[in-house]
Amino acid sequence: AQSVTQLDSHVSVSEGTPVLLRCNYSSSYSPSLFWYVQHPNKGLQLLLKYTSAATLVKGINGFEAEFKKSETSFHLTKPSAHMSDAAEYFCVVSVPGGFKTIFGAGTRLFVKA
Amino acid sequence: DAGVIQSPRHEVTEMGQEVTLRCKPISGHNSLFWYRQTMMRGLELLIYFNNNVPIDDSGMPEDRFSAKMPNASFSTLKIQPSEPRDSAVYFCASRLAEYNEQFFGPGTRLTVL
Repeated sequence: AQSVTQLDSHVSVSEGTPVLLRCNYSSSYSPSLFWYVQHPNKGLQLLLKYTSAATLVKGINGFEAEFKKSETSFHLTKPSAHMSDAAEYFCVVSVPGGFKTIFGAGTRLFVKA
Repeated sequence: DAGVIQSPRHEVTEMGQEVTLRCKPISGHNSLFWYRQTMMRGLELLIYFNNNVPIDDSGMPEDRFSAKMPNASFSTLKIQPSEPRDSAVYFCASRLAEYNEQFFGPGTRLTVL
């Protein structure tokens, strides 16, 4: 069975400081993992994806995530937050070739000036 | 590439009326998903299709909801009769079957009075 847990419902950082959004997953198979971002009143946009290639994945807007199988984690990071990063972020797990995709509950990121 | 297209973008209707939401997936994509998003329940998968065939509709709330995909380039989600608790943003997403990321449309904001 697959599941995904986003450990923080809200994260608040100051502009220019690092961002860490935590995600743990559970999967019986080698998963594909994704991070999506949703800005207010917008649809979901793919930030990055892991599909069993390099464990450190770089995405758009300076975000990256590291797949750690031993910790079953796929945390999202960014070295320096920007005001425009304020949004909701979703961690997603999927079994390659399968149809079932599980979304986390989301983490809302606040960026203070 | 126009991306996933949804219409209407906003719908306001009165309780008891029929509502039809429309989605055009990205050309060539084989899988299509309908989601509902509310503040209380977050993002919920309602139904998904693969090659125009419904694979899992276990997320459809009740018989008032129905979805069809008559061809590879069009899908509808119908609510009949609508109720105020159906008020939400409804997203459509599509995906190439052999890959795993989903591409989301901009959503339809439904308000049932």
